[in-house]
Amino acid sequence: DIQMTQSPSTLSASVGDRVTITCRASQSISSWLAWYQQKPGKAPKLLIYKASSLESGVPSRFSGSGSGTEFTLTISSLQPDDFATYYCQQYNSYSRLTFGGGTKVEIK
Amino acid sequence: EVQLVQSGAEVKKPGESLKISCKGSGYSFTSYWIGWVRQMPGKGLEWMGIIYPGDSDTRYSPSFQGQVTISADKSISTAYLQWSSLKASDTAMYYCARHKEYYGMDVWGQGTTVTVSS
Repeated sequence: DIQMTQSPSTLSASVGDRVTITCRASQSISSWLAWYQQKPGKAPKLLIYKASSLESGVPSRFSGSGSGTEFTLTISSLQPDDFATYYCQQYNSYSRLTFGGGTKVEIK
Repeated sequence: EVQLVQSGAEVKKPGESLKISCKGSGYSFTSYWIGWVRQMPGKGLEWMGIIYPGDSDTRYSPSFQGQVTISADKSISTAYLQWSSLKASDTAMYYCARHKEYYGMDVWGQGTTVTVSS
């Protein structure tokens, strides 16, 4: 199975900060990576697909980059609505999709 | 509006069986994969498996193979997740989500809470 390792697991930041979350795959997944945001008590929401494509309706302060085994999610200027937990997911093979462990973005 | 609506919360005893549902609307149900995701209390997301309702092609995570059964009834645009014998460790929130090819899981159900307790 492809393992997805996210870092950090928790991140403390202030409104207006630039935030970067990293996701590493245990083997190459090309660009088949998605990022999700989840708020407490809510279903996850797709932010980024195919590593760097912004889902419709998602603010442009969110961006994704990377390919192969190293990926990043960047929030250019953190807003109050962005405090949440973020997950990466690889979908290189429909037989073995896997999520990263999550990164909780907290208020500093 | 494209949406997935899941069945309501369940409280069961260990050893009981259970089948929860996920009904799609607003799109061609047979043209997209439907995946199931587990989230145990206070924990992260775990991908359980996926089904293509068009032909019932089903894939499971090794962690869940043999523990659950995923199925779909395309005539009523509904996918299912079922257990034959629940354990306390099955207590979790379960989400279904549409998997749009090359895009990831773009539409999610609201989640179904399953509590297993004696």
